[in-house]
Amino acid sequence: AQSVSQHNHHVILSEAASLELGCNYSYGGTVNLFWYVQYPGQHLQLLLKYFSGDPLVKGIKGFEAEFIKSKFSFNLRKPSVQWSDTAEYFCAVLNDYKLSFGAGTTVTVRA
Amino acid sequence: ETGVTQTPRHLVMGMTNKKSLKCEQHLGHNAMYWYKQSAKKPLELMFVYNFKEQTENNSVPSRFSPECPNSSHLFLHLHTLQPEDSALYLCASSQDAPRELMNTEAFFGQGTRLTVV
Repeated sequence: AQSVSQHNHHVILSEAASLELGCNYSYGGTVNLFWYVQYPGQHLQLLLKYFSGDPLVKGIKGFEAEFIKSKFSFNLRKPSVQWSDTAEYFCAVLNDYKLSFGAGTTVTVRA
Repeated sequence: ETGVTQTPRHLVMGMTNKKSLKCEQHLGHNAMYWYKQSAKKPLELMFVYNFKEQTENNSVPSRFSPECPNSSHLFLHLHTLQPEDSALYLCASSQDAPRELMNTEAFFGQGTRLTVV
């Protein structure tokens, strides 16, 4: 079955640490890729998206993600996190007009 | 504020109750979606409507009944739910759905936290 896998359920780190969240998908063919963030008590917001072109995508709030087609991966990175980055992060894949999500990774940043 | 509004924000209902969730968007989008978000599980796509027509039903039990009277409004009617149906129900909209969803994104409401007792 087609799926989206996020490797970590919960990541805890200190401010100024670097963050990398893994995302792998099992779809073949053309895909569009997204990372969404959900801050406590708030709605899902788009962090960044990849449709085509440069596989290194820059999003809001200093986040970036790299699409590696050969590895079916779209990992999210931020060089230096802040306390305000505490949230749940979801990877999503659009394939054949279905937008499917990973289970999410809870990120807790300690001051 | 995303432009997608869901009401109510919280709902507690008994297994014999009938209730409805409402979603409204004034973004000019043609496609609307219902997702179910359970703890530690991927978001599950439930229904897709495109230009008021249902184009996707992901094997959702009949105790969930969607209604889309126009492109701006989407309802989810609930009847004789089970405790395992307790979850966050998210509505989303996008410019277009099926095949035209490429190069666009979905905007989400804040969700309705449903508890079935």
